[in-house]
Amino acid sequence: EIVMTQSPLSLPVTPGEPASISCRSSQSLLNSNGYKFLDWYLQKPGQSPQLLIYLGSNRASGVPDRFSGSGSGTDFTLIISRVEAEDVGIYYCMQDLQTPYTFGQGTKLEIK
Amino acid sequence: EVHLVESGGDLVQPGGSLRLSCTASGFTFSNHWMSWVRQAPGKGPEWVANIKHDGGERYYVDSVKGRFTISRDNAKNSQYLQMNSLRAEDTAVYYCVKEWDSTAIIPAAKRYWGQGTLVTVSS
Repeated sequence: EIVMTQSPLSLPVTPGEPASISCRSSQSLLNSNGYKFLDWYLQKPGQSPQLLIYLGSNRASGVPDRFSGSGSGTDFTLIISRVEAEDVGIYYCMQDLQTPYTFGQGTKLEIK
Repeated sequence: EVHLVESGGDLVQPGGSLRLSCTASGFTFSNHWMSWVRQAPGKGPEWVANIKHDGGERYYVDSVKGRFTISRDNAKNSQYLQMNSLRAEDTAVYYCVKEWDSTAIIPAAKRYWGQGTLVTVSS
């Protein structure tokens, strides 16, 4: 099973400031075709998770361009260029290279 | 617009059984892999199982193998999760999730989650 490790687990941010979340996998998520099987999700309070980024760096439909994803085979980063109040919630990375698909522990973003 | 509506969650005693259902609309159900993901109270999500668009492949997390069975009925745009020998640790919100499009060129799951149904296992 691939283990996903996120940091930090808690992230207080001032509105308008940038935020960065790290996600590390216990093995490479890069397949033979060059795709990185890493997604980022945001779970807002009281809601189900919603897709932000797929295949490591592709923004999902409707996601603001202040969200961006990057990374290599095992180290990935989600960056919010300018945090807004609506961005509060828990951010999860998830690998879907191989079953069982696994999630990071989550990073709780709060507004200072 | 994609809609996934789960049902069947309930309070059940340890050792009991439950069948969850998910009805989908707004997309071509028969083209997509589908999955169940659960989230215990105060915890992160845990992927439970998925099923290929034609039902020909199914995968499970080890903790539910032999106890849970995922299935689907493409004629009814529905998927199911039969849960047997339930344990206290199975208590969670269970989400129906749309996954891979079998007709897509790019292998991105682009998961879409329903609102979930609560399963509580307790005596």
